[in-house]
Amino acid sequence: DTAVSQTPKYLVTQMGNDKSIKCEQNLGHDTMYWYKQDSKKFLKIMFSYNNKELIINETVPNRFSPKSPDKAHLNLHINSLELGDSAVYFCASSFGGRGELFFGEGSRLTVL
Amino acid sequence: EDKVVQSPLSLVVHEGDTVTLNCSYEVTNFRSLLWYKQEKKAPTFLFMLTSSGIEKKSGRLSSILDKKELFSILNITATQTGDSAIYLCAVAPAGNNRKLIWGLGTSLAVNP
Repeated sequence: DTAVSQTPKYLVTQMGNDKSIKCEQNLGHDTMYWYKQDSKKFLKIMFSYNNKELIINETVPNRFSPKSPDKAHLNLHINSLELGDSAVYFCASSFGGRGELFFGEGSRLTVL
Repeated sequence: EDKVVQSPLSLVVHEGDTVTLNCSYEVTNFRSLLWYKQEKKAPTFLFMLTSSGIEKKSGRLSSILDKKELFSILNITATQTGDSAIYLCAVAPAGNNRKLIWGLGTSLAVNP
């Protein structure tokens, strides 16, 4: 069983479209994250939820909206996609603030 | 501002060489330092260090933390082509802040 799974793994879409990425973890962790990794490989935190409560909300365009229906799931919806949104989006989870994150395999988004 | 600096940014070695990767940090309220390895997909956890001077070891990889001088090193002995990856260092602050502070990574290429 995959510990942190994301879908879809690849997403190719046109500018202006709306898309969603879903994430699920079966590790029993209480905290989940969305990270963006650009072409230079820098990992940038976007959002984090702890037990369904938003605890990290970085400076991200409000076209990005996370949702956590329960502590095992975290989704990311992106409206009006732009070229600069092209990146790999990683979901991760952890137990508390320990820092030992478990990452999903990433969702590669390409905006044309 | 909190920051994590890794060096070198990239490294090319031959199989069998020993490499040392560096990670220095300036973070208020330090809790732990983490090393991750990223090959083609998700970063995978290697080590978490919280105490100075205690070496963590896993096979050919080892890491140590110096909290006085604010740095950590990751050593890889007898490198293999499978060690080729980006090695990421991150620091977890203490308290309820779950936002890891990431370095830019060291890209290691091991040639046969």
